[in-house]
Amino acid sequence: DSGVTQTPKHLITATGQRVTLRCSPRSGDLSVYWYQQSLDQGLQFLIQYYNGEERAKGNILERFSAQQFPDLHSELNLSSLELGDSALYFCASSAGGDYEKLFFGSGTQLSVL
Amino acid sequence: AQSVAQPEDQVNVAEGNPLTVKCTYSVSGNPYLFWYVQYPNRGLQFLLKYITGDNLVKGSYGFEAEFNKSQTSFHLKKPSALVSDSALYFCAVFSGNTGKLIFGQGTTLQVKP
Repeated sequence: DSGVTQTPKHLITATGQRVTLRCSPRSGDLSVYWYQQSLDQGLQFLIQYYNGEERAKGNILERFSAQQFPDLHSELNLSSLELGDSALYFCASSAGGDYEKLFFGSGTQLSVL
Repeated sequence: AQSVAQPEDQVNVAEGNPLTVKCTYSVSGNPYLFWYVQYPNRGLQFLLKYITGDNLVKGSYGFEAEFNKSQTSFHLKKPSALVSDSALYFCAVFSGNTGKLIFGQGTTLQVKP
């Protein structure tokens, strides 16, 4: 067990809908990362937060947004969903330093029908 | 541009034989390199990292990786493969310039008895 909790584990929804994925980092970790994993695109970096502030941004679509709350948990909001958004979404956390290893959650499997 | 290439989609090796999973990278500035492993239906797990120092890095489960600056490579190795090593392996590079940790496409390692 990595100590990173992601909910829900599975999510099935329809095109055009909006969903929220939740991540609780390991106790004491200040950084939260979001990644999208799909067969065709591999593991894509979306965004990183450090202690509530956005730290780095990757290939995150404008329809997607994220935030990290004062208690350090994070949410990834996906709106106007398309079929191509179906993927496994991972959250990871680290103590905060740039070269720290990441601890990954088990992911949320999103299916857009 | 920051990128990671894992040229082999799959590596097959017999149990007891040495294994190598290849990784090359492109990054501005000093590279900070990582290997992660993903077992089915699980999140990624950290194996090892190179920040500075000795070019041969030892990690978890008997794995090691060799950093070669001139060839911009960071190949993962193990002297004697186990069937339980069968999994998906990801190489990643962190850039201090971009603040991003970028992953390769992954290489499936299949170890046969």
